[in-house]
Amino acid sequence: GDSVTQMEGPVTLSEEAFLTINCTYTATGYPSLFWYVQYPGEGLQLLLKATKADDKGSNKGFEATYRKETTSFHLEKGSVQVSDSAVYFCALSDYSGGGADGLTFGKGTHLIIQP
Amino acid sequence: DADVTQTPRNRITKTGKRIMLECSQTKGHDRMYWYRQDPGLGLRLIYYSFDVKDINKGEISDGYSVSRQAQAKFSLSLESAIPNQTALYFCATSPGANVLTFGAGSRLTVL
Repeated sequence: GDSVTQMEGPVTLSEEAFLTINCTYTATGYPSLFWYVQYPGEGLQLLLKATKADDKGSNKGFEATYRKETTSFHLEKGSVQVSDSAVYFCALSDYSGGGADGLTFGKGTHLIIQP
Repeated sequence: DADVTQTPRNRITKTGKRIMLECSQTKGHDRMYWYRQDPGLGLRLIYYSFDVKDINKGEISDGYSVSRQAQAKFSLSLESAIPNQTALYFCATSPGANVLTFGAGSRLTVL
């Protein structure tokens, strides 16, 4: 079945550091890929998405490129801020796999940015 | 008002009790979902619905049931709660293409 693997946290960085959160996936078809963010005490919010190979999703300074050859969708940001502290989830949807509707999520990566 | 509203936000109950978590949405989306979040496990799909007559089991439906009372309302029930159902529960909606809008969550503790 489909699965998403992302780096374990917590990840602790200083403000203005470069961020990479790794995400790799396994899918039977041609999935769409997503990053969701969960701020403390809130539900998940869509951060960015990519629907086909080589697409780059971007939002709020974050970027991720859909790499079919390496089955990856790593999240990057050039200069993080304290307000970026949150839990980040990589996810995929794959209708062609015949599985349930909805998204398959990774376990989440807790990001902590220190001033 | 929030696009997706969940009630209650927090609930503590005892083993064996029946619990209902409610979700309502103002997005006008046909698709609604219930997910469960556990530390270190991410989110797992419990049930999903494409419309009031279409209910489907997700990855972890055992011990849960749902009711789609209207396009805007989707409730999750635990008929006899057990401690390992202690978790954070999220309702979500989607117009399709799997872009989900989540509620703020319902934290359930079963003693």
